[in-house]
Amino acid sequence: GQSLEQPSEVTAVEGAIVQINCTYQTSGFYGLSWYQQHDGGAPTFLSYNALDGLEETGRFSSFLSRSDSYGYLLLQELQMKDSASYFCAVRVGGNTPLVFGKGTRLSVIA
Amino acid sequence: DVKVTQSSRYLVKRTGEKVFLECVQDMDHENMFWYRQDPGLGLRLIYFSYDVKMKEKGDIPEGYSVSREKKERFSLILESASTNQTSMYLCASSLLGGAGQPQHFGDGTRLSIL
Repeated sequence: GQSLEQPSEVTAVEGAIVQINCTYQTSGFYGLSWYQQHDGGAPTFLSYNALDGLEETGRFSSFLSRSDSYGYLLLQELQMKDSASYFCAVRVGGNTPLVFGKGTRLSVIA
Repeated sequence: DVKVTQSSRYLVKRTGEKVFLECVQDMDHENMFWYRQDPGLGLRLIYFSYDVKMKEKGDIPEGYSVSREKKERFSLILESASTNQTSMYLCASSLLGGAGQPQHFGDGTRLSIL
């Protein structure tokens, strides 16, 4: 089976930095993705890592260590609008569907 | 921008009814997917399709079927709705090939079975 573990909830202060971790145990690995979902909205793509290292896109960065089966999403300069659920997802094959974690609900407080 | 449109945002049906959820994408994507989302369980794959008239079972296909007669449309069918199928249903699409291709999601259909 496939298993992705991420914290269920995280709370952080506006303006701060928060890291959401994801560890995975899957039958194959082609890359780790992150999606954001606001309440009542559709999941939207944030980032994709196929190789080890850090990918930066504005205030968001994503990191991957394939040897540790681990990745994280880093959100800097947190804003209230960043309050949402964040899902890590693994591609286990070249054109297979994503396998999603259960999601981390991020609450940004003033 | 990719647009994935699900026919209803909210739907209420009765136990035993046959229910159709429709999904249309406008970007000529080969791949289409149906997920259900329940609190604390994340997104679970029901069925997916790589091409017209082609379908593959996901992790939780029991009680569901799908139809893909045209490339842009992927329908989810609840053959005989039951209360445990009350959930949020999300449709997604993506381009074929390349593990980095993102999945684009519709806004979801919140289905209640009474």
